[in-house]
Amino acid sequence: KNQVEQSPQSLIILEGKNCTLQCNYTVSPFSNLRWYKQDTGRGPVSLTIMTFSENTKSNGRYTATLDADTKQSSLHITASQLSDSASYICVVSADLTSYQKVTFGTGTKLQVIP
Amino acid sequence: KAGVTQTPRYLIKTRGQQVTLSCSPISGHRSVSWYQQTPGQGLQFLFEYFSETQRNKGNFPGRFSGRQFSNSRSEMNVSTLELGDSALYLCASSLALGTPYGYTFGSGTRLTVV
Repeated sequence: KNQVEQSPQSLIILEGKNCTLQCNYTVSPFSNLRWYKQDTGRGPVSLTIMTFSENTKSNGRYTATLDADTKQSSLHITASQLSDSASYICVVSADLTSYQKVTFGTGTKLQVIP
Repeated sequence: KAGVTQTPRYLIKTRGQQVTLSCSPISGHRSVSWYQQTPGQGLQFLFEYFSETQRNKGNFPGRFSGRQFSNSRSEMNVSTLELGDSALYLCASSLALGTPYGYTFGSGTRLTVV
């Protein structure tokens, strides 16, 4: 069964500090992995996408890594800002015959405090 | 260009009623998918439409249905509402079926069933 597990469930950090969010998956056959940021009451916004051959991808202060062998990904946030307070969702796609099946993690809720 | 538009943004309904939510995808996007998001369950996939046909379906009861029109706009209907249907309903569009081209999410419709 395809699963995506994220940790921690929630995290509180001080403004300016770095943090790392984890995503472990059992999706097969793997196609791509995305990290989304979701502000409260809004739809998710894509941060990064990585395919099998990519092991790191950056988007400003966000850097995602992928280890396809261990089926793990991480999202590192550098020099956090108050606006980084949001839920971060890991989404993994399986490449099936005629379409891609998407599995969502339940997210990590990040709170950045002054 | 305009993003994914969901209407209405907020809705309050009574148990037993039915509700219809609307989603207008990004111009040129032909795939529309729907998701239910609750605090405890995270994002759960409802169904995906492409070229007016349902191509993929999640594990929800038959009270949840949808359709897609020739202009790619989509509607989701929930009949005989239950208290547990209270959630944020998100729609996402993409260029084609599946996720190689990425999903763009709308801001969602917040449904409250009383």
